[in-house]
Amino acid sequence: AQSVTQPDIHITVSEGASLELRCNYSYGATPYLFWYVQSPGQGLQLLLKYFSGDTLVQGIKGFEAEFKRSQSSFNLRKPSVHWSDAAEYFCAVGNFGNEKLTFGTGTRLTIIP
Amino acid sequence: DAGVIQSPRHEVTEMGQEVTLRCKPISGHDYLFWYRQTMMRGLELLIYFNNNVPIDDSGMPEDRFSAKMPNASFSTLKIQPSEPRDSAVYFCASSPGTGGYTEAFFGQGTRLTVV
Repeated sequence: AQSVTQPDIHITVSEGASLELRCNYSYGATPYLFWYVQSPGQGLQLLLKYFSGDTLVQGIKGFEAEFKRSQSSFNLRKPSVHWSDAAEYFCAVGNFGNEKLTFGTGTRLTIIP
Repeated sequence: DAGVIQSPRHEVTEMGQEVTLRCKPISGHDYLFWYRQTMMRGLELLIYFNNNVPIDDSGMPEDRFSAKMPNASFSTLKIQPSEPRDSAVYFCASSPGTGGYTEAFFGQGTRLTVV
């Protein structure tokens, strides 16, 4: 069965600093990987996704993620965070032929001035 | 398109009452998902439909929960009778196609409180 681990429950970063949110997955074949963001009181919005090809994926809002098969990881990065990036971030894994996404428990990001 | 529309946004009900949550997916999307989000369990997939047909309801917690999709533009999630432990945010999402190549678009959720 597929699973996702986000080891950091809460991260605090200064505005303008770089960010990396960790995501590790468990799945036997090549997974489809996603990062979603949830602002308070809102639904989830897709930031980026990886299916195949280039392992460095660019997303919206200046985010990127890198798929590393050897480490079973799909970490999310941003070189310089903005106060508006404060939100909850979810990593998710899916697979071909099955529309079910398995979500991680999320990482809450706090931005300090 | 206005996106996935859920109603109501907030629902407060007494234990034992029936609760119906509603969802209008994005037009043309073949898949519809119901998720539940709680602090303890995170995001859980309850059930999903393909072309109005339930495909996997293994995440539905109990027989008190039921979901229907009578047509391509409407789905309901019903809890009868409701219990305090059902308090959560319920999300509906839709996606255009199969094979995992597409993303799920989420509604804003319904915050359910059962007292």
